[in-house]
Amino acid sequence: NAGVTQTPKFQVLKTGQSMTLQCAQDMNHEYMSWYRQDPGMGLRLIHYSVGAGITDQGEVPNGYNVSRSTTEDFPLRLLSAAPSQTSVYFCASSKKGQLDEKLFFGSGTQLSVL
Amino acid sequence: QKEVEQDPGPLSVPEGAIVSLNCTYSNSAFQYFMWYRQYSRKGPELLMYTYSSGNKEDGRFTAQVDKSSKYISLFIRDSQPSDSATYLCAMSDGNNRLAFGKGNQVVVIP
Repeated sequence: NAGVTQTPKFQVLKTGQSMTLQCAQDMNHEYMSWYRQDPGMGLRLIHYSVGAGITDQGEVPNGYNVSRSTTEDFPLRLLSAAPSQTSVYFCASSKKGQLDEKLFFGSGTQLSVL
Repeated sequence: QKEVEQDPGPLSVPEGAIVSLNCTYSNSAFQYFMWYRQYSRKGPELLMYTYSSGNKEDGRFTAQVDKSSKYISLFIRDSQPSDSATYLCAMSDGNNRLAFGKGNQVVVIP
C-alpha cells in the first residue's frame, strides 16, 4: 500500500495564479483532511471530509476549496494564490470511527507564492 | 489562550539522556491524546495514543496524561540520534476536531 500520496512535492506560484494540490489514499479511509504547517503556528486544519460528497471547513478555510467525489481523492484548490498561502501543506486520512485519533499523513507539498 | 500550548523551543540532549516533552490544554472536552513525530521534510507519524489518565509505555517511549491538571507528557528513555525530530502533541474531543501543539524540535547529539 502506498498510504497517502500527495503531489506535487514542491510548487512555486505567482500571486493570483490558481492550482490544485492532489491527495490520494489507498487505505479505504472515510475521513480525509488538509492541514497547513507554518513556523511557530503548528498544524492548522483547512478543510476536512467524512466521506464522499461531504466536506466541511476547518480553522483556516479562506482562499481554499475542496471536493470529495471519490473515497480515494481529496484535492485542495487555491483559487487565487496569495503570499500568505506560502506554507507546507499536508493531507491526512483516517478510518471511519477513528476520525481524528489516528491520522495518516502524506509527505507534504511545499508551496511558495511570490 | 490557545487550546493547546506546547513550548516550541528546540531541545538538545546528549545521546542516552532522557527527553521530556509536555503540553498543556484548556478544553475539558479533549479525551484522546496523541504524540506525533515528524522528521525533517516528512509528514507527521503517530507515535503514541492514549485516552485515559495515567502512563502508557511503548519501548523507550512513555506517554503520560493528567486530565485533572490538563497536562500531557512524552518521555524518551535512552535517546538515540534517530530520535532527532519534531514532536507534536495532539488532542481530540472525538467530534472531528483535532488540535495540535506547535511542536518541539529535539536534537540528540551523538
